[in-house]
Amino acid sequence: GAVVSQHPSRVICKSGTSVKIECRSLDFQATTMFWYRQFPKQSLMLMATSNEGSKATYEQGVEKDKFLINHASLTLSTLTVTSAHPEDSSFYICSARDTPYELGLYTGELFFGEGSRLTVL
Amino acid sequence: AQSVAQPEDQVNVAEGNPLTVKCTYSVSGNPYLFWYVQYPNRGLQFLLKYITGDNLVKGSYGFEAEFNKSQTSFHLKKPSALVSDSALYFCAVRATTGRRALTFGSGTRLQVQP
Repeated sequence: GAVVSQHPSRVICKSGTSVKIECRSLDFQATTMFWYRQFPKQSLMLMATSNEGSKATYEQGVEKDKFLINHASLTLSTLTVTSAHPEDSSFYICSARDTPYELGLYTGELFFGEGSRLTVL
Repeated sequence: AQSVAQPEDQVNVAEGNPLTVKCTYSVSGNPYLFWYVQYPNRGLQFLLKYITGDNLVKGSYGFEAEFNKSQTSFHLKKPSALVSDSALYFCAVRATTGRRALTFGSGTRLQVQP
């Protein structure tokens, strides 16, 4: 299947600093990527949908000013956690699909990155 | 709104025995259904999907799942469990129209004992 690379896999930062997580589709173009957050022993919660060349669509309750998403190219989306606090510590996972959304014919699965564990001290 | 229920937090099974991980869903219209597996501190790996057609879907690593429309279920099965199957399993659903993002269940931890 298609490969999604996520970096860094682990990051530790001090409270108040910003952290950027990258999500790359390695062998396909991804017009849409999704960012999920996973708390320990819990399911994945969709944070936002990242659309190439346009603003991200955030889920209800997700602070768009805290979680900045940029999808500048067809193979790269970034999530920046701004002014991070300990409660932002979590496992962040990106995913992408390899069929353009605009075709409206998408039936395939999502491909996931390996995840990024953020620890804010 | 679409939702997924995985009623069991954990399933324990002996190696060599059949396993079932349960999943029920709620979605407007016809569903697309997926199973993913997650190993510790890793992303999700795709196992199988139901889009249309045969209700019994075969996927990776010997797993299969049966779509039951009347019971709105999509249970994951394997005839003979391996210790290496021990992991966290997620069922996911999306509608064929409208919202395109996947909605995940709460996950079921499968523990296969030697």
